[in-house]
Amino acid sequence: GQNIDQPTEMTATEGAIVQINCTYQTSGFNGLFWYQQHAGEAPTFLSYNVLDGLEEKGRFSSFLSRSKGYSYLLLKELQMKDSASYLCAVASGATNKLIFGTGTLLAVQP
Amino acid sequence: KAGVTQTPRYLIKTRGQQVTLSCSPISGHRSVSWYQQTPGQGLQFLFEYFSETQRNKGNFPGRFSGRQFSNSRSEMNVSTLELGDSALYLCASSLAQQAGELFFGEGSRLTVL
Repeated sequence: GQNIDQPTEMTATEGAIVQINCTYQTSGFNGLFWYQQHAGEAPTFLSYNVLDGLEEKGRFSSFLSRSKGYSYLLLKELQMKDSASYLCAVASGATNKLIFGTGTLLAVQP
Repeated sequence: KAGVTQTPRYLIKTRGQQVTLSCSPISGHRSVSWYQQTPGQGLQFLFEYFSETQRNKGNFPGRFSGRQFSNSRSEMNVSTLELGDSALYLCASSLAQQAGELFFGEGSRLTVL
């Protein structure tokens, strides 16, 4: 079967660093994505990892370990606007189906 | 360029009715995927269409169906609506078959009474 796990909620302070973890078990692996979704809005693409290691993009970084079935999204210098749901998604199988986790709701407090 | 457009944005139906939702992908995108989003289940994959062919299907009953037209626009239909079908239905397009970044529309929020 396919399973993607991430924490339901997290709280962090403005200016701090937060790490959102994602573990997955899928039949086949073609890449891992992170999306951000603000309340009432469409999900938007943040990052993509297909090889092990860290991908950095401004204040956001994403890490992947394929052998451990593990990824994390690191958000630095948190801002209030970072309050949103963060969705981990894995592409797997011959047809590259993209399966999402249930999302982590991050609340950034002053 | 214009983003993914979904219509209608909001609709209310009663149990037993059927509904059709529409999605216009970004120009040049040939893949359209549909997802159901609910607070408890998150984003659940419904199906994906590429070049008018269904390429992937999620674990939803046969009441959920879809199609894609030659201009890549897609529709999904839900027949014999149930209360549990109340959800946000999101459409996403990509250049190729679910490869790379998905671009999501704002969604169609369906309420079944």
